[in-house]
Amino acid sequence: ILNVEQSPQSLHVQEGDSTNFTCSFPSSNFYALHWYRWETAKSPEALFVMTLNGDEKKKGRISATLNTKEGYSYLYIKGSQPEDSATYLCASIGGSQGNLIFGKGTKLSVKP
Amino acid sequence: GAGVSQSPRYKVAKRGQDVALRCDPISGHVSLFWYQQALGQGPEFLTYFQNEAQLDKSGLPSDRFFAERPEGSVSTLKIQRTQQEDSAVYLCASSPYTNSPLHFGNGTRLTVT
Repeated sequence: ILNVEQSPQSLHVQEGDSTNFTCSFPSSNFYALHWYRWETAKSPEALFVMTLNGDEKKKGRISATLNTKEGYSYLYIKGSQPEDSATYLCASIGGSQGNLIFGKGTKLSVKP
Repeated sequence: GAGVSQSPRYKVAKRGQDVALRCDPISGHVSLFWYQQALGQGPEFLTYFQNEAQLDKSGLPSDRFFAERPEGSVSTLKIQRTQQEDSAVYLCASSPYTNSPLHFGNGTRLTVT
């Protein structure tokens, strides 16, 4: 099973701060990279699915970039709000079989 | 519309009992995943189906764990002779095709006493 790592494990920021965190994955045999947002007591919700090297996706104040050659993706949140508090998960597919392997997540807390 | 449905929502089992966890994916979704989530951790991959074919079961922690999806829709995760370390939330997710986002169910919280 391929290894997906996320850092930092947790992050505490003030409302209005911009922040970013990292997802690392094996660059060989890359197929796709997913980002999910997981609020307490809810199911994970998809943010982005990225497949192309250099790809950048944006949804409101959240954006993500992808570097498949070096095996990393960054998630950025601009002007964090308390409602952004959640665990952010990334997941990678290794190969065309489609099994999606998750990292342990980055837990973001935004203080008002 | 109906999302991914998992049942039961909570299950308490005595050590040594067998349990069966059910997942109803979104209709027409080809891919189905099972994950195990321990407290404070991300989802750990268990197994993956495309239609009725189990393409990867490398994440199943022991031969006490068994999953099936006989008609390519509903899936059941069975755990035999449950142990305390099996206590976790079991998440099911489905997607219409490879590379599409997963839709997760609310999970089944299993507690083994």
